[in-house]
Amino acid sequence: AQSVTQLGSHVSVSEGALVLLRCNYSSSVPPYLFWYVQYPNQGLQLLLKYTSAATLVKGINGFEAEFKKSETSFHLTKPSAHMSDAAEYFCAVSARGATNKLIFGTGTLLAVQP
Amino acid sequence: DSGVTQTPKHLITATGQRVTLRCSPRSGDLSVYWYQQSLDQGLQFLIHYYNGEERAKGNILERFSAQQFPDLHSELNLSSLELGDSALYFCASSVGGSLYQETQYFGPGTRLLVL
Repeated sequence: AQSVTQLGSHVSVSEGALVLLRCNYSSSVPPYLFWYVQYPNQGLQLLLKYTSAATLVKGINGFEAEFKKSETSFHLTKPSAHMSDAAEYFCAVSARGATNKLIFGTGTLLAVQP
Repeated sequence: DSGVTQTPKHLITATGQRVTLRCSPRSGDLSVYWYQQSLDQGLQFLIHYYNGEERAKGNILERFSAQQFPDLHSELNLSSLELGDSALYFCASSVGGSLYQETQYFGPGTRLLVL
């Protein structure tokens, strides 16, 4: 069965600093992987997804993630944090045979300090 | 605005009661997904409907049921409510049902409080 683990429930960075949010997956075969963002009092929004076309995936708002099979990781990065990036970020996984069923991680709350 | 609408925004009810949450997908989307977000369980997939048919079930309790109507709106029915059912319930929609090929759009959610 697929699962994802997000390391760090809270991450704080300074404005302009690198953002790194960690996600490790567990799956017997390479799954599909997703990053979603949830702003306060809103629903989730898709940032990017890995579907095996390319290991480095670029998403919206300057975010990107790299799929590393050897490390079973799909970490989310952004070179320079903006105040508007403050939100909760969720990593999710789905099996290749059941792409309509997402399994979410526990989320990482990102705080951006001025 | 994602184009997905959910009503009501807030719902307060008592244990043992039954409630219905409503979702209208984006125009043209045939798939509707329901999720539950709670402090205890996190974000969980409940159920997926495509063009009126159930396609996948996740961690949905037997006390919960859903359906998608011919006009593609969906309802999630929660019965015999317990305190632990208090959560934010999200609906999402997509064109088809293959999330690796398409984007899923989330509604703003219905916040349910069971007292």
